[in-house]
Amino acid sequence: AQTVTQSQPEMSVQEAETVTLSCTYDTSESDYYLFWYKQPPSRQMILVIRQEAYKQQNATENRFSVNFQKAAKSFSLKISDSQLGDAAMYFCAYRSLNTGNQFYFGTGTSLTVIP
Amino acid sequence: GAVVSQHPSRVICKSGTSVKIECRSLDFQATTMFWYRQFPKQSLMLMATSNEGSKATYEQGVEKDKFLINHASLTLSTLTVTSAHPEDSSFYICSARAGVGFGNQPQHFGDGTRLSIL
Repeated sequence: AQTVTQSQPEMSVQEAETVTLSCTYDTSESDYYLFWYKQPPSRQMILVIRQEAYKQQNATENRFSVNFQKAAKSFSLKISDSQLGDAAMYFCAYRSLNTGNQFYFGTGTSLTVIP
Repeated sequence: GAVVSQHPSRVICKSGTSVKIECRSLDFQATTMFWYRQFPKQSLMLMATSNEGSKATYEQGVEKDKFLINHASLTLSTLTVTSAHPEDSSFYICSARAGVGFGNQPQHFGDGTRLSIL
């Protein structure tokens, strides 16, 4: 089965600064999706950004961007101009297009934003 | 590392059938488990939070009698979709972690269950 690793259990960033959250994954598939989800105290899983593996261009959504390195199986999330509302747990996820569209999640990175 | 097993991975059944989905933590005590349902564009809606030995806390808009959650032990939580209908077709996923309340402990996700109601 695919595995997703988030090696940073906790990260902190100064407000207005930039922070990068790491994610690596292991797969033998060539086509798949990658996601970053944000889980605030409400515990809802809010989709932050999505990347299709066949696309070379890195996805961006306003202040959020990814560095997708397919060969290295790396998918890091960069948050620019960090805001207090960005404080949350962030989960990296892999979705297979083959095995029943299953999701595989990392264990999360807790992001603290310092005023 | 910690593993959460979710079973079955795929279910296809007729309308009116009740379907049970199991979520097991294999090597740690999951004091808290979460059940999510996937909606279009990949968002995951939290359905309920279950703490071992107590009643599940359902999110607003989730029918308690429709989606029965049982968390009878520290390693097992079940979600039963009662009298399932086509609109219940979705992808359901559980996550588990040690500790109660909302904290920053690692969460471990199951692989999800694709439910298709004919």
